[in-house]
Amino acid sequence: KNEVEQSPQNLTAQEGEFITINCSYSVGISALHWLQQHPGGGIVSLFMLSSGKKKHGRLIATINIQEKHSSLHITASHPRDSAVYICAVRGDYGGSQGNLIFGKGTKLSVKP
Amino acid sequence: NAGVMQNPRHLVRRRGQEARLRCSPMKGHSHVYWYRQLPEEGLKFMVYLQKENIIDESGMPKERFSAEFPKEGPSILRIQQVVRGDSAAYFCASSQPGSSGNTIYFGEGSWLTVV
Repeated sequence: KNEVEQSPQNLTAQEGEFITINCSYSVGISALHWLQQHPGGGIVSLFMLSSGKKKHGRLIATINIQEKHSSLHITASHPRDSAVYICAVRGDYGGSQGNLIFGKGTKLSVKP
Repeated sequence: NAGVMQNPRHLVRRRGQEARLRCSPMKGHSHVYWYRQLPEEGLKFMVYLQKENIIDESGMPKERFSAEFPKEGPSILRIQQVVRGDSAAYFCASSQPGSSGNTIYFGEGSWLTVV
């Protein structure tokens, strides 16, 4: 079992739909990242959080430390949101900031 | 994320050759990280460097791979005697020194193909 599990693996939505991507992890963490990988391959950091909730535009990320679970929500989805969304965690064992454990990603396709 | 510059974007090498991938961090960033993304697999941490120091190389393969971040110039990920299994996307990221709460910024990646 991977230390970071994402669901679903693939997601197809219609433009305007509310989207939720889930991330569960099995290790103690000090931070969790949500990343977006464009079809061209580049990676954008969306959020880094260690508790609670963060919002940026149409994107909302939440984390429940007790349940070892995070969600990424996209409101009013748009075809330009089509990408792979990756969850990554930094363990709380004192490892370096960039020593992240990555999920395999959720491939989102938003149809017009 | 404009600012973490990787080159080349695409590199083709024959088996046994050397591959050098370069990464210039964002301005003001002195922490550099390298990650590998094998086909159909997730990203994996390789190494964390600060200027002239390797801080954490726990994800680096034991042989043929090396990384440096000299006082001047970009960080270099070097793969000697490449094999087909080295074909992957290699991502560099950088962050500011100081608080561990700093965001990590990724580059666009370098795609290595070994033929």
